[in-house]
Amino acid sequence: ETGVTQSPTHLIKTRGQQVTLRCSSQSGHNTVSWYQQALGQGPQFIFQYYREEENGRGNFPPRFSGLQFPNYSSELNVNALELDDSALYLCASSLAAYLNYGYTFGSGTRLTVV
Amino acid sequence: GNSVTQMEGPVTLSEEAFLTINCTYTATGYPSLFWYVQYPGEGLQLLLKATKADDKGSNKGFEATYRKETTSFHLEKGSVQVSDSAVYFCALSSTGNQFYFGTGTSLTVIP
Repeated sequence: ETGVTQSPTHLIKTRGQQVTLRCSSQSGHNTVSWYQQALGQGPQFIFQYYREEENGRGNFPPRFSGLQFPNYSSELNVNALELDDSALYLCASSLAAYLNYGYTFGSGTRLTVV
Repeated sequence: GNSVTQMEGPVTLSEEAFLTINCTYTATGYPSLFWYVQYPGEGLQLLLKATKADDKGSNKGFEATYRKETTSFHLEKGSVQVSDSAVYFCALSSTGNQFYFGTGTSLTVIP
């Protein structure tokens, strides 16, 4: 059984640019969530996708957007990058019926905005 | 609202010492509670969970009991090893589609 895989592992972007991060969910998982983890902080919920629809969103501006594909993989897009967007972005997958039993997290994408 | 407060670190212990990391929470409804562990350069791994009051989660020698009366979910281990060095996050989920994490507690175990 494969886990959650994210790409790329590291990325450096310039302020104002756009970035796309990718996530392949664990086999059999149909729910994907994205979290932002700033240095020294706990992860903060960005949004969740279930059956290709957004199913909850945290306190992040609209320039953070996402997609989920029929194979349950997902993308996180961030427009007009700001320096404060520098963080580890974590993707997590779960079976919709078992959300309260925890997620499987990927290793993350480390985004640096300069 | 929902929030998690964790004991601040860093925590440094000698091998075989007893570990406690405190976690208290505020939640609407009846949350499930979790401990996640993050090793350097990696994502989060689920360590243990408890889905209702008085449940005890356990894994790899770690334990935590869901105490509704004190709104706590403290992590304990009787004898830590060097390999336990990591950052530990307490988390809750009320609705299932959003987890609320604490700020993390860094643990270093020295031989």
